[in-house]
Amino acid sequence: EVQLVESGGGLVQPGGSLRLSCKASGFSFINYSMNWVRQAPGKGLEWVSYIASSWSIRHYADSVKGRFTVSRDNDKNSLFLEMNSLRPEDTAVYYCARVRFGAAYGMDVWGQGTTVTVSS
Amino acid sequence: DIQMAQSPSSLSASVGDKITITCRASQGIGNGLEWHQHKPGKAPKRLIHGATDLQSGVPSRFSASGSGTEFSLTISSLQPEDFATYYCLQHSSYPWTFGQGTKVEVK
Repeated sequence: EVQLVESGGGLVQPGGSLRLSCKASGFSFINYSMNWVRQAPGKGLEWVSYIASSWSIRHYADSVKGRFTVSRDNDKNSLFLEMNSLRPEDTAVYYCARVRFGAAYGMDVWGQGTTVTVSS
Repeated sequence: DIQMAQSPSSLSASVGDKITITCRASQGIGNGLEWHQHKPGKAPKRLIHGATDLQSGVPSRFSASGSGTEFSLTISSLQPEDFATYYCLQHSSYPWTFGQGTKVEVK
């Protein structure tokens, strides 16, 4: 079964840091690019970051550029999001999602999400 | 950045109703659009890719049309499990952008 499981969320003070993880199983992780997407309380979905399968390309939303860093460990089938200088507006459920290439290009599998709360 | 204007933001409907949700892109995106369903506390689920293609395993009551800047998602006969929030997503260029969402509620 194809599965993505996020972890690492929690309560952090403004200005603090947090590292999210996403463990992939049931597919060849090294062959897929990955996205992070978030949903703030009462808001819609917001794309956050993208990383290519080989790390060669990374993209970020303007709202997190310079503060968040996406990375991956293909040997451990894991995706990461290092979040620094956190702000209250970063409070959200964070999802990782697989990017499928080819005829069915797009975000085809999502994790259940991990909750990040930025508050003093 | 490409903006996605989704409408309506919410709608009330009954089981068996036919509903349509639309998305308009601020510039042409070809068929670089997909539709996702999201229920509270659950992982979002892709319904449509390539603007019109049904994701494997998704019921045929879901259909979609459009290309360029105008897109729509239709549910032909609403079922109890379809009450959820629906999002369009453009992946023609980064940053990928979602529509604001359409919450489908029980009338």
